[in-house]
Amino acid sequence: DQQVKQNSPSLSVQEGRISILNCDYTNSMFDYFLWYKKYPAEGPTFLISISSIKDKNEDGRFTVFLNKSAKHLSLHIVPSQPGDSAVYFCAAIYSYQKVTFGTGTKLQVIP
Amino acid sequence: DTGVSQDPRHKITKRGQNVTFRCDPISEHNRLYWYRQTLGQGPEFLTYFQNEAQLEKSRLLSDRFSAERPKGSFSTLEIQRTEQGDSAMYLCASSLGSTNEKLFFGSGTQLSVL
Repeated sequence: DQQVKQNSPSLSVQEGRISILNCDYTNSMFDYFLWYKKYPAEGPTFLISISSIKDKNEDGRFTVFLNKSAKHLSLHIVPSQPGDSAVYFCAAIYSYQKVTFGTGTKLQVIP
Repeated sequence: DTGVSQDPRHKITKRGQNVTFRCDPISEHNRLYWYRQTLGQGPEFLTYFQNEAQLEKSRLLSDRFSAERPKGSFSTLEIQRTEQGDSAMYLCASSLGSTNEKLFFGSGTQLSVL
């Protein structure tokens, strides 16, 4: 069962505009959510996280929003840059247990 | 270099052969994870360790897979009698084992079973 879902496999955005990546989850016990970024031939790297008790966390150009009632989170990148082109994975964890990943969204930022 | 290192980066083997991968985590990290990733999919959990104890093993992991972490330092993942369906990127990650569980990944081992 896929507990963390990313329904958009790809997204193209013009440089300078906002990129919005979405993620849905089914397990209401998740208490932390994370976003990872992956370039080809490299392992994923941590980008930003949010606790389930918050609804927003911001770090520079990256903001994650959490809507617990909808079991939905999103990552906003503003402004988008060509170097942001990568695959983005949403992930979730509960109670110190394993991290569960979504299937990923490939972002292409067009110069 | 204080990152997570994996060896080898690439492995090509014939069906039926055994393969072993090694992961060296960040030294102060007590948690170590193994994930598998295939094209178009996210990292799929295989197993994880807290120090030397293996805390969970995925139901997807057949008896042909075994992982060890002796002395709570490096870890090995062995696949016996490889099958073509085992072809994937095998990722290792380590962490401090905290509530927000920030994982640090290695570059992975790409396995191709012919």
